[in-house]
Amino acid sequence: QSVLTQPPSVSGAPGQRVTISCTGSSSNIGAGYDVNWYQQLPGTAPKLLIYGNTNRPSGVPDRFSGSKSGTSASLAITGLQAEDEADYYCQSHDSSLKVFGGGTKLTVL
Amino acid sequence: QLQLQESGPGLVKPSETLSLTCTVSGGSISSSSYSWTWIRQPPGKELEWIGSMHYFGNTYYNPSIKTRVTMSVDTSKNQFSLKLSSVTAADTAVYYCAREYLGNDGQLDYWGQGTLVTVSS
Repeated sequence: QSVLTQPPSVSGAPGQRVTISCTGSSSNIGAGYDVNWYQQLPGTAPKLLIYGNTNRPSGVPDRFSGSKSGTSASLAITGLQAEDEADYYCQSHDSSLKVFGGGTKLTVL
Repeated sequence: QLQLQESGPGLVKPSETLSLTCTVSGGSISSSSYSWTWIRQPPGKELEWIGSMHYFGNTYYNPSIKTRVTMSVDTSKNQFSLKLSSVTAADTAVYYCAREYLGNDGQLDYWGQGTLVTVSS
């Protein structure tokens, strides 16, 4: 049971918009800790996608955006492309500990 | 460009100690702006944080495996290491090393490619 809860799977057609939620509690996201998002393509290491709730590292397309409210955060992907098919993980902190969500598998139909 | 590379045995016997090293290139491990982290991912499962350490020695471990974990750093070789004792089949996973930015965000901005460690007799 992960500390941060994500839906196991989401799907969308090319060009559509999808969102992935990440629900925490008052001891992690709700305590003010920032949320980071990672994309893991099949057979590869995770890659930083969003940091500090809303910021994109250099090279990440602006089709990816993040938000945070209360004890939850969300990742939105617009203009869905086949190459976006991957696992997505949210990550935050709980006191001095680093915690991850259970991951969400995005399928591009 | 910073690069991290994990190395170590791919097969460990039950009850023995798993030892991995992460070599950092393209940047110094002796930076006060970052900590160095181990994360693992059992086959088909989610990411699990193992622990993090600063080059000057402060360490933070996941409470679920804290009693079996030791992390260390060798600044002369620009490497940091993980030891996990008394391993069982449940410790079979891909092990990643990563760099954590020590700001409010605490993001893991660079990752190694990962190394699969199988625990089996």
